[in-house]
Amino acid sequence: QKEVEQDPGPLSVPEGAIVSLNCTYSNSAFQYFMWYRQYSRKGPELLMYTYSSGNKEDGRFTAQVDKSSKYISLFIRDSQPSDSATYLCATLEGDMRFGAGTRLTVKP
Amino acid sequence: NAGVTQTPKFQVLKTGQSMTLQCAQDMNHEYMSWYRQDPGMGLRLIHYSVGAGITDQGEVPNGYNVSRSTTEDFPLRLLSAAPSQTSVYFCASSYSWLAGGDEQFFGPGTRLTVL
Repeated sequence: QKEVEQDPGPLSVPEGAIVSLNCTYSNSAFQYFMWYRQYSRKGPELLMYTYSSGNKEDGRFTAQVDKSSKYISLFIRDSQPSDSATYLCATLEGDMRFGAGTRLTVKP
Repeated sequence: NAGVTQTPKFQVLKTGQSMTLQCAQDMNHEYMSWYRQDPGMGLRLIHYSVGAGITDQGEVPNGYNVSRSTTEDFPLRLLSAAPSQTSVYFCASSYSWLAGGDEQFFGPGTRLTVL
């Protein structure tokens, strides 16, 4: 079993939709959780990170961690075509552990 | 400030050939790492370095060597390329050993094909 599981999609939504991206993880010791955004043929860039449980909001993006169920989520409100990218969740315990990435397309 | 740079952008090798993927950063970051990205597998850590002269293995180190003689440079060497090493390779750096979620900055990647 991979330490971080993520549905690869692809996910296609209309502009303005609320997007929900999700990951599960297996190691209850994980405390740091990140979301990276990767545009086609580019390197990943850090979008948000959270520590332990709870929510963190940044503009249209909200990251949520539920440690009781080992579930992490990224919500995108009012999605835009410029949000079209692959989103990777990641956790940190010594080394970084990445999910496979979910490919999102937002259609105008 | 160029950030993290990688060369070459693309490379095709024959089985058994050797090559070095170059990575450099100009942010004075202590921590540097190499990942490979394969479809459906996400990013997997190959090797990392917490400072000049210090390197260690990550999740998938076999077939790769690294060295860190300066803070700025962290080359990745393939000693005898195999088709299983066909992948996109990313170099990353951060100020510290990811304490407190310190941001990793990624390079643009090297697309390697081994025939």
